[in-house]
Amino acid sequence: GQQVMQIPQYQHVQEGEDFTTYCNSSTTLSNIQWYKQRPGGHPVFLIQLVKSGEVKKQKRLTFQFGEAKKNSSLHITATQTTDVGTYFCAGLDNNNDMRFGAGTRLTVKP
Amino acid sequence: NAGVTQTPKFQVLKTGQSMTLQCAQDMNHNSMYWYRQDPGMGLRLIYYSASEGTTDKGEVPNGYNVSRLNKREFSLRLESAAPSQTSVYFCASRTVTGGSPLHFGNGTRLTVT
Repeated sequence: GQQVMQIPQYQHVQEGEDFTTYCNSSTTLSNIQWYKQRPGGHPVFLIQLVKSGEVKKQKRLTFQFGEAKKNSSLHITATQTTDVGTYFCAGLDNNNDMRFGAGTRLTVKP
Repeated sequence: NAGVTQTPKFQVLKTGQSMTLQCAQDMNHNSMYWYRQDPGMGLRLIYYSASEGTTDKGEVPNGYNVSRLNKREFSLRLESAAPSQTSVYFCASRTVTGGSPLHFGNGTRLTVT
């Protein structure tokens, strides 16, 4: 079955620094979704990417879907303490099977 | 609008005990899911129900059973709890399988001693 690898597992940044998390799938994806989970909370949907090479922005967050639809990234510009949490990607393959990455836990030092 | 409601929030069981985790959604979603979350392993699918009246195994179904009671409710049962089932359990729902966003409940933190 498909595997979704996400790196890094942890990232600690100074407030104002940038942050990027990467997801790689073993198979071609139909779409990829990104979720954020605050400490002690539940995952909350951020965005979905569907098209090859797609780039979407939400304020300081930039999401990319690779040309081959096997990888994706989330980049946060000028992190703030409100960005703290774990970011998960979830890839949907052509068999309608969705797998989550292990997540990247972001901590931000004020 | 409550979204996805899970009960209980916390539970401690002894090995061999049984329990049922309850989940209800009020968004008229067709598909419902049970995930478990363990440190460093992300969210792993236990069982899902693509629509009322159907259930299917996910990635880690062993030791669990589910019931889709009606369109709103999807329960997860542990018949004989084991320490390996210590985890945080999330119920989720979505409009249809596949491309729509998952809406998660607040989770149940289960400890099996």
